[in-house]
Amino acid sequence: DVKVTQSSRYLVKRTGEKVFLECVQDMDHENMFWYRQDPGLGLRLIYFSYDVKMKEKGDIPEGYSVSREKKERFSLILESASTNQTSMYLCASSLAGVGETQYFGPGTRLLVL
Amino acid sequence: AQSVTQLDSHVSVSEGTPVLLRCNYSSSYSPSLFWYVQHPNKGLQLLLKYTSAATLVKGINGFEAEFKKSETSFHLTKPSAHMSDAAEYFCVVRDHSWGSQGNLIFGKGTKLSVKP
Repeated sequence: DVKVTQSSRYLVKRTGEKVFLECVQDMDHENMFWYRQDPGLGLRLIYFSYDVKMKEKGDIPEGYSVSREKKERFSLILESASTNQTSMYLCASSLAGVGETQYFGPGTRLLVL
Repeated sequence: AQSVTQLDSHVSVSEGTPVLLRCNYSSSYSPSLFWYVQHPNKGLQLLLKYTSAATLVKGINGFEAEFKKSETSFHLTKPSAHMSDAAEYFCVVRDHSWGSQGNLIFGKGTKLSVKP
């Protein structure tokens, strides 16, 4: 069965802290994605990766970075958290290829105080 | 540029009555279209997808969607709502434009409430 896990369901951090969100998939998928979800805005793509050590900017990369050292793990990093980064963060993965279905994790709800 | 517009932010139906969630798309290419569902505190799950085969697409849990090119629509329907259908639904188009790498573009979501 397809499985994408995220390290935390809820996180509370303070402004200026460095925050790591971890995502792991066990399906040997090549592609991994990070989205943020905000009410009334749907999902917006932050970063994605098509291979180990590869990364591409999505639509809203500012204030974020990513790391993909292993195929199964894709980390989202907030270098200096700000209150406007309070959001739900969703990770997804898919096989290589443009038409492949993306499978989503349960999400991490981040509150930055 | 490609985009999707979900015409209703909230839809409320009674259990046992039909469900209609509306989505219009804009695309310069033959589109790939999807519906995803998100139950409270859960990740997104694919309901169904259209990729230029049959225009009527059947998905999981009794949902289906019809691709209508003339109306640029991809509305999601279900004949009879169940309480467990209460969730948020996202209409999604794949970005086929040059250089896009096929990423997904999400609508803003429609929250479906089901009354007993």
